[in-house]
Amino acid sequence: GAGVSQTPSNKVTEKGKYVELRCDPISGHTALYWYRQSLGQGPEFLIYFQGTGAADDSGLPNDRFFAVRPEGSVSTLKIQRTERGDSAVYLCASSFRQGTSNEQFFGPGTRLTVL
Amino acid sequence: QQQVKQSPQSLIVQKGGISIINCAYENTAFDYFPWYQQFPGKGPALLIAIRPDVSEKKEGRFTISFNKSAKQFSLHIMDSQPGDSATYFCAARSTDKLIFGTGTRLQVFP
Repeated sequence: GAGVSQTPSNKVTEKGKYVELRCDPISGHTALYWYRQSLGQGPEFLIYFQGTGAADDSGLPNDRFFAVRPEGSVSTLKIQRTERGDSAVYLCASSFRQGTSNEQFFGPGTRLTVL
Repeated sequence: QQQVKQSPQSLIVQKGGISIINCAYENTAFDYFPWYQQFPGKGPALLIAIRPDVSEKKEGRFTISFNKSAKQFSLHIMDSQPGDSATYFCAARSTDKLIFGTGTRLQVFP
């Protein structure tokens, strides 16, 4: 079966623009996570969905960042008024919650460059 | 308290040698400790994981040693191979989200 897919793989934008990053989780996975990975760093948690609702959005850096998952499957991470500091790889992961098994499967990421 | 500290930052090992990466944490509420392997341009992939009620877990050439009282855990890669060259991240889970270490870049030379 297909893994987690993310589109686009690369996105170059100008400071101040709006961007949307898409994540298609593994079919049947109810939990979906967004992380941000800066160069030379480990992934940093942004937000977690269980079904359609955001169960934990404590990692979103500010109100320019917003994510949705309207039908409990595909998710979109939206960034308004992008800043150069937003440049990073945005990773999406999904998991199938069943008891204590909660392995997170990561997609390849979207590399966002803000000029 | 939510940090996971990882060392070393980089590691060079000869083929057939043992690679050892260490991590330490503070939050005793962490309930799951995975190790991820990441190749350039790819997302992290789960390598092996352990729960805090177990002191050691082995899968093939990969072993996690876990010391709950010291709040430390480590990854041992036996018989390291050039194909193991990648960046390794330890992580700890807190209420479903993963807190990652800063990564160790492993290079295995033939």
